[in-house]
Amino acid sequence: NAGVTQTPKFRILKIGQSMTLQCTQDMNHNYMYWYRQDPGMGLKLIYYSVGAGITDKGEVPNGYNVSRSTTEDFPLRLELAAPSQTSVYFCASSGRPGSGEQYFGPGTRLTVT
Amino acid sequence: QQQVKQSPQSLIVQKGGISIINCAYENTAFDYFPWYQQFPGKGPALLIAIRPDVSEKKEGRFTISFNKSAKQFSLHIMDSQPGDSATYFCAAKPVGNYGQNFVFGPGTRLSVLP
Repeated sequence: NAGVTQTPKFRILKIGQSMTLQCTQDMNHNYMYWYRQDPGMGLKLIYYSVGAGITDKGEVPNGYNVSRSTTEDFPLRLELAAPSQTSVYFCASSGRPGSGEQYFGPGTRLTVT
Repeated sequence: QQQVKQSPQSLIVQKGGISIINCAYENTAFDYFPWYQQFPGKGPALLIAIRPDVSEKKEGRFTISFNKSAKQFSLHIMDSQPGDSATYFCAAKPVGNYGQNFVFGPGTRLSVLP
């Protein structure tokens, strides 16, 4: 099993550009999440999804959009990139409700200059 | 806003020593407390977790202690090894949370000296 995969691993964007961060999981998990990790700040939830077609905002959703057309995929869209979006982005998934465990992907390091 | 506090921010331990990381929360409605381990350049991975109906859970060299009345939980790493050098995050899951979302602590960077 590949688990949770993310692409790209690294990306440099210019201010105002847009991009999509890809996330795919092969564990048939209903729950999926997008986090950003800033130095010394821990993980902040951007968006999450409880199943295909259902998404909801997390703690820091401004400047981002998501979609969930399939169980496997949960892309994160950045529109009009800003320097404040420079961060490491992690996608995660979770299976059984109440199990608690989240499986994380390897992350995407994004720099906006 | 729900919050999980974590200390220390960084920790240096000699090989063979005990590493202790503490977390505290301010909301009683949590029902799952995982600890995640993250190596540089990697995503976090579940290390050990506890539910509030037990006060301690041990898995190998890793032990979680949970004090429900004090709203505190801690991770103890016995016989710390250089391979344990990583960032550790505590987290808490609110009861009945729709999205099974976690509240994460800010992390502790552990360095184990050989």
